[in-house]
Amino acid sequence: QVQLVESGGGLVKPGRSLRLSCAASGFTFSDYDMTWIRQAPGKGLEWVSYISSSGDTIYYADSVKGRFTISRDNAKNSLYLQMNSLRAEDTGLYYCTRRVAYWGQGTLVIVSS
Amino acid sequence: EIVLTQSPGTLSLSPGQRATLSCRASQSVSSSHLAWLQQKPGQSPRLLIYAASSRPTGIPDRFSGSGSGRDFTLTISRLEPEDFAVYYCQHYGTSSWTFGQGAKVEIK
Repeated sequence: QVQLVESGGGLVKPGRSLRLSCAASGFTFSDYDMTWIRQAPGKGLEWVSYISSSGDTIYYADSVKGRFTISRDNAKNSLYLQMNSLRAEDTGLYYCTRRVAYWGQGTLVIVSS
Repeated sequence: EIVLTQSPGTLSLSPGQRATLSCRASQSVSSSHLAWLQQKPGQSPRLLIYAASSRPTGIPDRFSGSGSGRDFTLTISRLEPEDFAVYYCQHYGTSSWTFGQGAKVEIK
């Protein structure tokens, strides 16, 4: 069955960097577009970034553009999110998703001094 | 950017009752790109409806979606105890995705 397992979250100071990973299994990873979606504590869902199956097409939410970089390694069945210049408002649970049909359990990012 | 507005924000109902949730887009969107998600406390969201009215395998038929253009509706025909949760509409566009702010269905 489809599994998405995020990792790499943690507590980080404002201005610092963090790299999230998502390990995919149970499907042909290279056939599917992938996204990162986040949820601040007690708040709603916010789309962060999208990457096409080949990695050729990438989009970002305005709130993270220029600071976050999405990438993938189809040989390793893995999705990544490099987060730089982190801000307090980036705090939240980060989900890796295959379209909206499949979601990981999320990895928690806390940006605080 | 398309903005999705859900109403009501909270719906207080009893098990067995019908729930009707609305999602209005700031501009007309393709029905093919409108989804509904359910989220329970401490859990990841779950896809209930895609393409405005299609149910994935395993989603009970008490959940139904309808609508087109700017207005979309999620209906739960008879609420079961496990249906009390937060529901989000979502539009997956060409270069961005947006979510509604969420609507909570709570036990009355």
